[in-house]
Amino acid sequence: EEKLVQSGGGLVQPGGSLRLSCVVSGFTFRIHFMDWVRQTPGKGLEWVGRIKDKPNDYGTDYAASVKGRFTISRDDSKNLLSLQMNGLKTEDTAMYYCVRAGYGKGYDRWGQGTLVTVSS
Amino acid sequence: DVVMIQSPDSLAVSLGERATINCRSSQNVLYRPDGNEYLSWYQLKPGQPPKLLVYWASTREPGVPDRFSGSGSGTDFTLTINRVQAEDAAVYYCEQYYSSPYTFGQGTRLEIK
Repeated sequence: EEKLVQSGGGLVQPGGSLRLSCVVSGFTFRIHFMDWVRQTPGKGLEWVGRIKDKPNDYGTDYAASVKGRFTISRDDSKNLLSLQMNGLKTEDTAMYYCVRAGYGKGYDRWGQGTLVTVSS
Repeated sequence: DVVMIQSPDSLAVSLGERATINCRSSQNVLYRPDGNEYLSWYQLKPGQPPKLLVYWASTREPGVPDRFSGSGSGTDFTLTINRVQAEDAAVYYCEQYYSSPYTFGQGTRLEIK
């Protein structure tokens, strides 16, 4: 079974940092582009960023709203995807999902989600 | 950025009837190398991650009931749910994955009467 299991998240003060993790099993992690998508009650679904695979030099791409504050990384030896979030703002409060970018298919596998709350 | 606009924002459909959700993109999302429209549809229910229903605008994801169908090309796309069931109550999103930043519509809430 193809699974994405997330951990991390929680309550953090504005300006703080948090790291989300996503461990993958049941498919060949290293050959897939992986993204983070977040869901907020007010704005719906929002793409956060992407990390490509090794043949594409693990290139990253970010939404303008998080660029310079968030960093996506991966460890293919551990089937691990990470999202380091620094300089958190109240507007970053959301449910965060790690997602597999299927080949030209959109997001065909999703983690269970982890809630991040930024509040003083 | 490619802006995705869905209509309507919400709709109520009687059990067994048809629901139609529209999605318009501000730019074409046709990926010419493979000839596919890079447009997908997702279903979101409370407490669950989104579920991919349709990709390439009209290809149903394996396991998705055949009452769900996608259509359209260019900048206008439609998700149709035939013979609506109670379990179809959800929020539906279209998304373009043609160009970064990948963008979603604002969502359409489907209520079953």
